[in-house]
Amino acid sequence: NAGVTQTPKFRILKIGQSMTLQCTQDMNHNYMYWYRQDPGMGLKLIYYSVGAGITDKGEVPNGYNVSRSTTEDFPLRLELAAPSQTSVYFCASTDTRLAGVQETQYFGPGTRLLVL
Amino acid sequence: ELKVEQNPLFLSMQEGKNYTIYCNYSTTSDRLYWYRQDPGKSLESLFVLLSNGAVKQEGRLMASLDTKARLSTLHITAAVHDLSATYFCAVDRRGATNKLIFGTGTLLAVQP
Repeated sequence: NAGVTQTPKFRILKIGQSMTLQCTQDMNHNYMYWYRQDPGMGLKLIYYSVGAGITDKGEVPNGYNVSRSTTEDFPLRLELAAPSQTSVYFCASTDTRLAGVQETQYFGPGTRLLVL
Repeated sequence: ELKVEQNPLFLSMQEGKNYTIYCNYSTTSDRLYWYRQDPGKSLESLFVLLSNGAVKQEGRLMASLDTKARLSTLHITAAVHDLSATYFCAVDRRGATNKLIFGTGTLLAVQP
């Protein structure tokens, strides 16, 4: 299993541009998440999904949109990029139908985004 | 609002020494997670603590959870350089919403 994969690894955007961060998991997990991590800080939840077709806002959803058309994919869309969106973005997944240690979230390698 | 605080934020240790990282959270929860992050890398799961009094150990790391005190500790025994990383605790609200609130992290530097 590849686990959670993200593309691209790094991207530079100009202010006002748009882009989609891709996230795919091959573990048949039902829950998926998008986080951002600012320098020297912990992670903050942007959006999450409990299954295909169902998404909900996290702590910091403004400026982002998501969709979940399949179990495997959970893309994050940035519209009208702003310098405040410069961050590292992590996608994660978990299977809430399992018990014990399997309940942890599995993280992708991250996408580093710089908005200039 | 659930808040998660870690201390210290930065810890410089000598190899062979013992130390403890603390994670306090502000509202009731019975699910706590510890993650490790190496510089420029993703997060790796270390421990999942699901009940009051839970204790988990892996190598030189041991984590515990006291839900009544709203406190988790990550104890490091006889530190080695390979343990240098940032350690995060994360808390799920009571009721298992599976939405984690992360602490700001503890940067651990183990010096030879």
